[in-house]
Amino acid sequence: EAGVAQSPRYKIIEKRQSVAFWCNPISGHATLYWYQQILGQGPKLLIQFQNNGVVDDSQLPKDRFSAERLKGVDSTLKIQPAKLEDSAVYLCASSLALEYEQYFGPGTRLTVT
Amino acid sequence: SQQGEEDPQALSIQEGENATMNCSYKTSINNLQWYRQNSGRGLVHLILIRSNEREKHSGRLRVTLDTSKKSSSLLITASRAADTASYFCATDSTQGGSEKLVFGKGTKLTVNP
Repeated sequence: EAGVAQSPRYKIIEKRQSVAFWCNPISGHATLYWYQQILGQGPKLLIQFQNNGVVDDSQLPKDRFSAERLKGVDSTLKIQPAKLEDSAVYLCASSLALEYEQYFGPGTRLTVT
Repeated sequence: SQQGEEDPQALSIQEGENATMNCSYKTSINNLQWYRQNSGRGLVHLILIRSNEREKHSGRLRVTLDTSKKSSSLLITASRAADTASYFCATDSTQGGSEKLVFGKGTKLTVNP
């Protein structure tokens, strides 16, 4: 069974630029999550989708971050414009449903200079 | 906001010894999950224990849950160098009408050969 795919794996941008991350979840998983993990901390949930609807985006900085999950499969997370404090690893995860274990992708390491 | 707090923050042991990590949390939970993260394999789900369960085993892993004390422990028996990683507890709870997983800051385990 293929795992959660993410791209790119690494990205370096300057502040005020924009960036987009892509995620392809495990086939059949209805729930998709985006997390931000800053060095030395645990992952922090940014947004979670159930199929193509948003379940929770309470911790998403909506003035600069946006996410969508078209057709209930792939998802993209965008940052525009980026700030220095956005430097982190962005993890995508999927699960069969909300109360099940989550499967994580390898993450995208973003460096904002 | 982070709900689970792992203790200790860092742990160093010799191969063959047992490792115990603790997690405390604040609000009622649906379940509690433990994840492992190392540079080679990313974030991997280890075990899920539901709020009505008290103990669960998986191979060399033993997890306990005490909902009256709002705490959990993860025991790794007969540790190996390959167990070197950061271990996170994550609490699944319903907050603000939505169910989500909140990670702690993690325990960094080093197993010396």
